[in-house]
Amino acid sequence: EAGVTQFPSHSVIEKGQTVTLRCDPISGHDNLYWYRRVMGKEIKFLLHFVKESKQDESGMPNNRFLAERTGGTYSTLKVQPAELEDSGVYFCASSQVPGLEQYFGPGTRLTVT
Amino acid sequence: EDQVTQSPEALRLQEGESSSLNCSYTVSGLRGLFWYRQDPGKGPEFLFTLYSAGEEKEKERLKATLTKKESFLHITAPKPEDSATYLCAVQATSGTYKYIFGTGTRLKVLA
Repeated sequence: EAGVTQFPSHSVIEKGQTVTLRCDPISGHDNLYWYRRVMGKEIKFLLHFVKESKQDESGMPNNRFLAERTGGTYSTLKVQPAELEDSGVYFCASSQVPGLEQYFGPGTRLTVT
Repeated sequence: EDQVTQSPEALRLQEGESSSLNCSYTVSGLRGLFWYRQDPGKGPEFLFTLYSAGEEKEKERLKATLTKKESFLHITAPKPEDSATYLCAVQATSGTYKYIFGTGTRLKVLA
């Protein structure tokens, strides 16, 4: 069974540009989560989808971040316009049931210069 | 405020030298506590879930335990391949399913 996949693995962009991160969850997992780790800090929650609906977006830092999950399959996280403080590693995770363990992808390392 | 603290930040062990990692948590109500292992450049890899005080789970050289305030990850006779960052995360019963992570313990096992 394929795990959670993320694309790209690494992205370097300039301040003010736009970047879109993609996550493909484990097949059959309705629950999809986005997290990020900024340098030296713990991994922090961004938002949670159940199928195509946003269940919890309390961790989204501001309106420069837009997450979508059209059709309830893969998800995208767009940052527009990117700022220096957006640099970090963005992880996607999925779970079959919300209270069970979440399976993480390898992450996308975003560097904003 | 819900919070997770892990200690120590870093730990160096000789091969075969057993030890324990600590994860203390403060949440309004615990839905579950999760242990993960993370290797450099990779995503967290699931190890264990604990739901109630007194619960224990084992896998090879690892054993996780849970009390009402903390969890321990015991590593028995570690090998160099156990070197990784170990992460603890909790889910609270406050209506959402997000993980609250600690900062992790970086474990290095020397041959």
